[in-house]
Amino acid sequence: GAVVSQHPSRVICKSGTSVKIECRSLDFQATTMFWYRQFPKQSLMLMATSNEGSKATYEQGVEKDKFLINHASLTLSTLTVTSAHPEDSSFYICSARFDPGNTEAFFGQGTRLTVV
Amino acid sequence: AQKITQTQPGMFVQEKEAVTLDCTYDTSDPSYGLFWYKQPSSGEMIFLIYQGSYDQQNATEGRYSLNFQKARKSANLVISASQLGDSAMYFCAMREDVASGGSYIPTFGRGTSLIVHP
Repeated sequence: GAVVSQHPSRVICKSGTSVKIECRSLDFQATTMFWYRQFPKQSLMLMATSNEGSKATYEQGVEKDKFLINHASLTLSTLTVTSAHPEDSSFYICSARFDPGNTEAFFGQGTRLTVV
Repeated sequence: AQKITQTQPGMFVQEKEAVTLDCTYDTSDPSYGLFWYKQPSSGEMIFLIYQGSYDQQNATEGRYSLNFQKARKSANLVISASQLGDSAMYFCAMREDVASGGSYIPTFGRGTSLIVHP
């Protein structure tokens, strides 16, 4: 299957700082990327959908000013958690799709964010 | 309303035995896709199997098979000959197709934790 690389896999940051998470499609061009948040023992909660070259579409209840998403190229999307707080600590995972048709989305390895 | 329902929060199975993980879905869309993903403790989501709503036969991928019962709106995952490495969370997901009004965004169930005993 296609490869999606997410970096970093783990990050610890201080309250008030910003953290950037990268999601790269290594062997295909991702027209659409999804960002999810997952709490322990819970399902994946979709945060936003980003299409290359356009603004991300955020799900209801997700603060767009806090979770900045940039999909600047067909192989890279970034999620920046701004002014992080301990309640932002979570597992963030991206997925990418190269065809809005009928293909599955491929997932990155996920990023464990801990805000102290 | 829940679009994907996984009623088993946890399942246990003996090594080498088969196990069925339940998934029911809700859609009025005639065209959709159903997926199963495995999430080990490392966190990555591993795609296992896909079933399209118009596929006549049940999907199979190695030890994984999808028991697709369209009238019942169920898409159970069957893992044959369980291995210790199968211990993980398993998520069922559905994607409704945009041609009939869906959004192509997969919706995930709450997951089932599978533990394989030696």
